[in-house]
Amino acid sequence: ELKVEQNPLFLSMQEGKNYTIYCNYSTTSDRLYWYRQDPGKSLESLFVLLSNGAVKQEGRLMASLDTKARLSTLHITAAVHDLSATYFCAVGKDDKIIFGKGTRLHILP
Amino acid sequence: DVKVTQSSRYLVKRTGEKVFLECVQDMDHENMFWYRQDPGLGLRLIYFSYDVKMKEKGDIPEGYSVSREKKERFSLILESASTNQTSMYLCASSFSNSNQPQHFGDGTRLSIL
Repeated sequence: ELKVEQNPLFLSMQEGKNYTIYCNYSTTSDRLYWYRQDPGKSLESLFVLLSNGAVKQEGRLMASLDTKARLSTLHITAAVHDLSATYFCAVGKDDKIIFGKGTRLHILP
Repeated sequence: DVKVTQSSRYLVKRTGEKVFLECVQDMDHENMFWYRQDPGLGLRLIYFSYDVKMKEKGDIPEGYSVSREKKERFSLILESASTNQTSMYLCASSFSNSNQPQHFGDGTRLSIL
């Protein structure tokens, strides 16, 4: 059974600091997604990672994938208040896509 | 622009009622999904469909059924609504086995009284 675990589930950090969100999954998968959700809004796609060693970057966010360890990371560099949101990883296997519980990120000015 | 449209943003129903949540996508996606989102639990997959008239159970199908008579429409049915089905329901769609992400609707906040 495919299970996805994120940690931490809640993160409060100062502006300007760096931090990493971790996403572990239980079985082999052919793709991994990161999404952002703002309060009261739907989910917005950030990254799609397809292969071992894949790394993608957009602004202050960088995502990577290690398929052997079944681990993806979302790294935040020099955080700014606008990055406050809930971040979800999701793992795809065949046509099924399973989400982690999300990491609620709160960035303090 | 891609669009996943859910029929209602907010819905209030009574215990025991049969409830229909509708979702329509205009992207010719093969796959469609229903999730519920609850605080601290993330998104949990209820059902998904990979083709017309095809459906697969997700992790929490109990108390729900689905219907996909046309490619663009995927309905979630609460056969006899109960208070523990009060939640935010999110519909999503995607191409089959694709390297493209799912596209989500705006969600339906359902309250069962």
